[in-house]
Amino acid sequence: AQKVTQAQTEISVVEKEDVTLDCVYETRDTTYYLFWYKQPPSGELVFLIRRNSFDEQNEISGRYSWNFQKSTSSFNFTITASQVVDSAVYFCALSEGTALIFGKGTTLSVSS
Amino acid sequence: IAGITQAPTSQILAAGRRMTLRCTQDMRHNAMYWYRQDLGLGLRLIHYSNTAGTTGKGEVPDGYSVSRANTDDFPLTLASAVPSQTSVYFCASSVYLGASPLHFGNGTRLTVT
Repeated sequence: AQKVTQAQTEISVVEKEDVTLDCVYETRDTTYYLFWYKQPPSGELVFLIRRNSFDEQNEISGRYSWNFQKSTSSFNFTITASQVVDSAVYFCALSEGTALIFGKGTTLSVSS
Repeated sequence: IAGITQAPTSQILAAGRRMTLRCTQDMRHNAMYWYRQDLGLGLRLIHYSNTAGTTGKGEVPDGYSVSRANTDDFPLTLASAVPSQTSVYFCASSVYLGASPLHFGNGTRLTVT
């Protein structure tokens, strides 16, 4: 069974639209870590955020925000007022104390 | 500039040949990892190392081997390449296994013909 599910394979939006990328995870551990990474067309993998299982506070960083809900095992990522530079593949990942397990990614295309 | 260096950047390899992908980090991170990225499958863990001298198997270890003789180097070897190993390979490191963010290299694009 998949431990990290990113149900949205591809999303297309127009600039300035808000967009939410979904991430659902599965774990039996009480201590775990969740991550989001961005992979722009240039191919490098860029770390965006880490959240541990004991911290359910939502986080905002500029146009990016993350909603962590243990009750639904979700760690969703919202981009407000999207821009063309946000076009990328976004990966959600889970760690239960060992190596990160990644979801299959969501490809976001933002058109002008 | 501190980071992870992968070599080669790309390679075309005949099936049956042996190949070693190199990975070196200069951040003194304890943990290192190898992932492969395939379209529609995301990033899948091949092998990892918690610290020098120890290695572990990931989700897709078959056909690959690793060694961790020192902190900085974590080479990935394909003993006898097959076309299904055509992929982009990413090496990564982190301060500690699991809890710390991964820092990735720029990847090696490998084509097995």
